[in-house]
Amino acid sequence: GQSLEQPSEVTAVEGAIVQINCTYQTSGFYGLSWYQQHDGGAPTFLSYNALDGLEETGRFSSFLSRSDSYGYLLLQELQMKDSASYFCASSTGANNLFFGTGTRLTVIP
Amino acid sequence: GAGVSQSPSNKVTEKGKDVELRCDPISGHTALYWYRQSLGQGLEFLIYFQGNSAPDKSGLPSDRFSAERTGGSVSTLTIQRTQQEDSAVYLCASSPTSGGASDTQYFGPGTRLTVL
Repeated sequence: GQSLEQPSEVTAVEGAIVQINCTYQTSGFYGLSWYQQHDGGAPTFLSYNALDGLEETGRFSSFLSRSDSYGYLLLQELQMKDSASYFCASSTGANNLFFGTGTRLTVIP
Repeated sequence: GAGVSQSPSNKVTEKGKDVELRCDPISGHTALYWYRQSLGQGLEFLIYFQGNSAPDKSGLPSDRFSAERTGGSVSTLTIQRTQQEDSAVYLCASSPTSGGASDTQYFGPGTRLTVL
């Protein structure tokens, strides 16, 4: 089976850095994606890691360690608009994407 | 240059009725996905299309759920004899190819289904 574990909620201060962790157990693994979803909105793609290491895209970075079955999303210089739910998702190579349960990030002034 | 569109945006139906949800993917995208999201929950994979065929129907929760795609474009998700537990937001996504996690999925705004 597939399972991706994330913290359910995280709160951080505007301007700070926050890390959202994701641990996974999948039968077959091709990579880890991250999606952002604002309340009432559709998920939007943030990043993808196929190889170990850090991928940086502006204020957002994503990390993967295949040996530890672990990844994280790092958000820097937090802004109020970053308040949203963040989902990690894995692909087994079949053409589906398994999503974690999501982490609700609340950014406070 | 429209994105993925879905209709209706909201659907309220009575228990036992059939409903059809429509998805118009981004033009030229060969892969199409349906997901279900219950309130405050993650996304639950339902079905995947590559062109008009559905190689992976593993996520359909019961035989009351079916989906089709025609012309490699529009897809319809049908739920027969709806139950209250079917209430959720149904999201459609498309991607240019079919690379799984490596291929960005573009999501539509969803259809919020409420079964009374």
